[in-house]
Amino acid sequence: DTEVTQTPKHLVMGMTNKKSLKCEQHMGHRAMYWYKQKAKKPPELMFVYSYEKLSINESVPSRFSPECPNSSLLNLHLHALQPEDSALYLCASSQDSSLSSGANVLTFGAGSRLTVL
Amino acid sequence: GDSVTQMEGPVTLSEEAFLTINCTYTATGYPSLFWYVQYPGEGLQLLLKATKADDKGSNKGFEATYRKETTSFHLEKGSVQVSDSAVYFCALSEGGADGLTFGKGTHLIIQP
Repeated sequence: DTEVTQTPKHLVMGMTNKKSLKCEQHMGHRAMYWYKQKAKKPPELMFVYSYEKLSINESVPSRFSPECPNSSLLNLHLHALQPEDSALYLCASSQDSSLSSGANVLTFGAGSRLTVL
Repeated sequence: GDSVTQMEGPVTLSEEAFLTINCTYTATGYPSLFWYVQYPGEGLQLLLKATKADDKGSNKGFEATYRKETTSFHLEKGSVQVSDSAVYFCALSEGGADGLTFGKGTHLIIQP
């Protein structure tokens, strides 16, 4: 299995809703990432988990709450979002090259397209 | 900090034309370099990579050579197809689980 699977593919939510995005990989990767991508822009890093511990939080508002229940799963909990949070949310995983040689290649999922009304 | 600069486009070419998308980078260490491609409505797919100076990455007819002296990693293809229409991102990684630094992306349009 060489895929990163994201669900749901599309999500529409109101500003008072609570929802979650889910990401799963079975490649044995120990680093997992959340990126946010607005239209016609490059992905922006939000969070990184390394060995199931949060290692990077790029000053993301607290209405986004990541969770890594185990080495294969990554969630992004959403609460009280704003319309400007509408975007494509991409999950990625990698081996974490800090303990191995070679390039740290990220494998991306297809993304969850979020619309906040 | 690290940065990646690439031509933004859109770049419009006819089928079978030669493609070059320029990419230059600034990094404090010795990064690995990547090209990712994003087709409409999809996530990013790794196209090719290079981990050290003078390495050449290649895949699906695309090539890029890691040039340390010019801090460049230009993407080339000898004969493009309509199916190559997509957004191409140049990116670098300094290693570890720090994520990627992306360029702004180049929208490529191939006309039949």
